[in-house]
Amino acid sequence: DSGVTQTPKHLITATGQRVTLRCSPRSGDLSVYWYQQSLDQGLQFLIQYYNGEERAKGNILERFSAQQFPDLHSELNLSSLELGDSALYFCASSVDDSSTDTQYFGPGTRLTVL
Amino acid sequence: ILNVEQSPQSLHVQEGDSTNFTCSFPSSNFYALHWYRWETAKSPEALFVMTLNGDEKKKGRISATLNTKEGYSYLYIKGSQPEDSATYLCASSGGSYIPTFGRGTSLIVHP
Repeated sequence: DSGVTQTPKHLITATGQRVTLRCSPRSGDLSVYWYQQSLDQGLQFLIQYYNGEERAKGNILERFSAQQFPDLHSELNLSSLELGDSALYFCASSVDDSSTDTQYFGPGTRLTVL
Repeated sequence: ILNVEQSPQSLHVQEGDSTNFTCSFPSSNFYALHWYRWETAKSPEALFVMTLNGDEKKKGRISATLNTKEGYSYLYIKGSQPEDSATYLCASSGGSYIPTFGRGTSLIVHP
C-alpha cells in the first residue's frame, strides 16, 4: 500500500458524460500527478499540481481539467467523454515538486466509456 | 532518440537466471531517470531514481546503472525469482520536469 488513495476504483459511463476522479496523496506529500494508461499507449503524463498550483502540463486534452484543493487532495474532471477516453487513470504523489522525487502511485481508477 | 525506448519488449527466463534490460532516453537536457516495477493488477512501484552519469543503484538482487552522455540505463536482476515477474518501466525527465515513460519490459520468470 503506497498511501495514495483513489476513488472510485471503477467507473462505467456513457459517451458525452462528465466524471470526476479523486485522489488523496500520501500524508505530507505536496505534489500530485495524474497519468493515463490506455491499451494502445504507455503511461502518459497528464498534469502535475504542487501545493495547490499547476506545476507541469503534459498531453492533457482540453476536455480534461484538474485541481488540487487546500487539503491537498486532487480531482481530475473528464467531460464530453469519448470511447477513446476509456483507460486506467493513475494518481501519484511526491514530497516535493522536483523530478528527482520518488513518486508513489495510487491503485488507479478504471474508466470505461460505453 | 526522441522518445524513451525500452528493450526487449518481453523476456522469459528460468528461475535462477540473471537478466538485464535497457532503457534509452534523450541525452540532451537530461534531468532524472526513474525505474518502476509494475505487477499485474497493481500500481507502479518506484525502484530507483538516478540523476548523475555513472550512477549505480542497488536494491537487493536488482541494480541499475546510468549513462547520461549516451542516453541509456540498464536494469539488472541477479538470480531471478518467480516473484520478480512484472513489467519494468523507466521514465526520463528533462528540463521541463515532464516525465516520459517507456512502454516497459515484461519479465516472466518460470519456476
